[in-house]
Amino acid sequence: SQKIEQNSEALNIQEGKTATLTCNYTNYSPAYLQWYRQDPGRGPVFLLLIRENEKEKRKERLKVTFDTTLKQSLFHITASQPADSATYLCALRSNYQLIWGAGTKLIIKP
Amino acid sequence: EAGVVQSPRYKIIEKKQPVAFWCNPISGHNTLYWYLQNLGQGPELLIRYENEEAVDDSQLPKDRFSAERLKGVDSTLKIQPAELGDSAVYLCASSAGGTSGPDEQYFGPGTRLTVT
Repeated sequence: SQKIEQNSEALNIQEGKTATLTCNYTNYSPAYLQWYRQDPGRGPVFLLLIRENEKEKRKERLKVTFDTTLKQSLFHITASQPADSATYLCALRSNYQLIWGAGTKLIIKP
Repeated sequence: EAGVVQSPRYKIIEKKQPVAFWCNPISGHNTLYWYLQNLGQGPELLIRYENEEAVDDSQLPKDRFSAERLKGVDSTLKIQPAELGDSAVYLCASSAGGTSGPDEQYFGPGTRLTVT
């Protein structure tokens, strides 16, 4: 069956360090993958998109990698700040719709 | 630019009662989505509209859920009758549209439904 997996346990990171979140998928061949941020009581907010022919994408302190052989995307936040604390969701495109992971809660400790 | 607007933000109803949610997407966005999100889970698509046409409603429980998007702008999602298991957050999202290419989605704040 098709599946997207994100670490269900919260990730605790010390402020200033790099946070790395993982998104693994099986039985998909997505054309692209997206990362979103979701704060409590709010809808997801788009952060980055990476296409299947791109290895890496950057935006300010954010970096996403996409390995279609490993079927994995990594999402990095460098120089993390307490304001980066949120749940981060990955989503991939399949048959004209986005399929979502359950998200990983990131906690940045001051 | 105004974002996606949803109302109400919160709704508490008794089971077997009807409920309706309203969504106003970003101006000019042709594609509109209704999602259901349970605590600790990602959004699950209920229905997708391209303009006023429902192009994907395969996950919509049609015995109790209905949706409409009149004139290809605002949309309403209805549940009748509501069941305890319908308690969740209902998210509306919109995107610029088209069935090919990236579809960066913009979400509203959601409606938190509690069925007692």
